[in-house]
Parts: sequence; structure tokens; C-alpha cells
Amino acid sequence: QQQVKQSPQSLIVQKGGISIINCAYENTAFDYFPWYQQFPGKGPALLIAIRPDVSEKKEGRFTISFNKSAKQFSLHIMDSQPGDSATYFCAASFRNEKLTFGTGTRLTIIP
Amino acid sequence: EPEVTQTPSHQVTQMGQEVILRCVPISNHLYFYWYRQILGQKVEFLVSFYNNEISEKSEIFDDQFSVERPDGSNFTLKIRSTKLEDSAMYFCASSEGSSETQYFGPGTRLLVL
Repeated sequence: QQQVKQSPQSLIVQKGGISIINCAYENTAFDYFPWYQQFPGKGPALLIAIRPDVSEKKEGRFTISFNKSAKQFSLHIMDSQPGDSATYFCAASFRNEKLTFGTGTRLTIIP
Repeated sequence: EPEVTQTPSHQVTQMGQEVILRCVPISNHLYFYWYRQILGQKVEFLVSFYNNEISEKSEIFDDQFSVERPDGSNFTLKIRSTKLEDSAMYFCASSEGSSETQYFGPGTRLLVL
């Protein structure tokens, strides 16, 4: 019940396109849903996060959509750029204590 | 901008040896974590630490693992007798409060031969 499922495993998007990564969770006690971005050889860095009292949060080109009834949330990257090429992890936690991570999505933005 | 630092960046050790991984959390943070990431896999929680004691630990964090905050700045992870399957990237993280953002360090890549 602690799992967070993430898809797709890898994603190739053209520059300027929209990148969409999806996650689903099982534990209804989770109340904090961050997305982390990781470049090779680096630690995960917080990109954007949402709590279940809102259905959408937008920060610049990055948007989280949250569907509490379906227990799903997704990351949308608008106007994707080559610098966005990285691995993205969704995560979930209860009171932002231990983070349960998804399996990661390797995003590649091509010219 | 304050950041979490970790040393060493890489460590190679022989099976059965003890290793100590070091972390310096962000200075005003009170909650500390260790996670690990086996190559190509997801990041997994190991342990959380607050007020000089373990708050929570995963089933991965067995008796071979221990954590310590030996002074006001360092936070260490010790693996007493390393196994081949301990080879992974180990990340330290810290947060200001229990419901605040966790900031990750750059990691220590541990290779057990």
C-alpha cells in the first residue's frame, strides 16, 4: 500500500512540446506529493509539490494536476527545452516525513 | 544558497569492511534523512533522524546500519560490514521541519567489491 507507480519509464519529446509524466498512489493517508528532478551524478532536487486540497498547481512551465478520487497526479512540462532532459521522480509522503518515490522517468528533449 | 554536502563523493570498499558516509545538512535544519538509490532504480528511504534519535527506519536499515550526529553539523551513516548489495548511491537529505521540503545532497557512490 506504500507504492507509488510512475509511467512512462522513458519519454522523448520534441523541443517546444508538452511532457507529461503520470503517477498513481495507493495509500490514502499520503498528503504531500512532490516532484523531484535529477541530473546524472546529482541528488534529486525539488521541482514542484502539491497537497491534496488543490487540484492543480503551476510554477512557470511546470504544472502538477492532482486527482484525489482517482489517486493520481501528473507533471506537465510546457514548452519543453533541452535543459529539461533529466530523470523525474514523483514521490508521496504523509506529513512530508519519509518520501516514497516512484520508479522514475527519463525525459529526453530533442531539437 | 545553502546546500546539503556529502563526503566522500565516491567510496570503494571490500566486502565485510566498515564504511562511514558523511553529510553536512543545511545549518538550521532539524530533520535528517538517508536514502539510497541502486543504479537505475528508484530512490529508497532508509532512515529519518530528529532530536538525536531515529524517528523511523525502513526494513533495509538493519543492524548493519547506524546513524549518528556526532557534533552540531555532521550527520553520518555507518555500514558495519558491507555486502555486495550495499553498492548504491547514498543520499543525505535535511528539512527545516517535519512538514517542510527535503533538500538532498549530491550523494556518495558506494561500490562494494
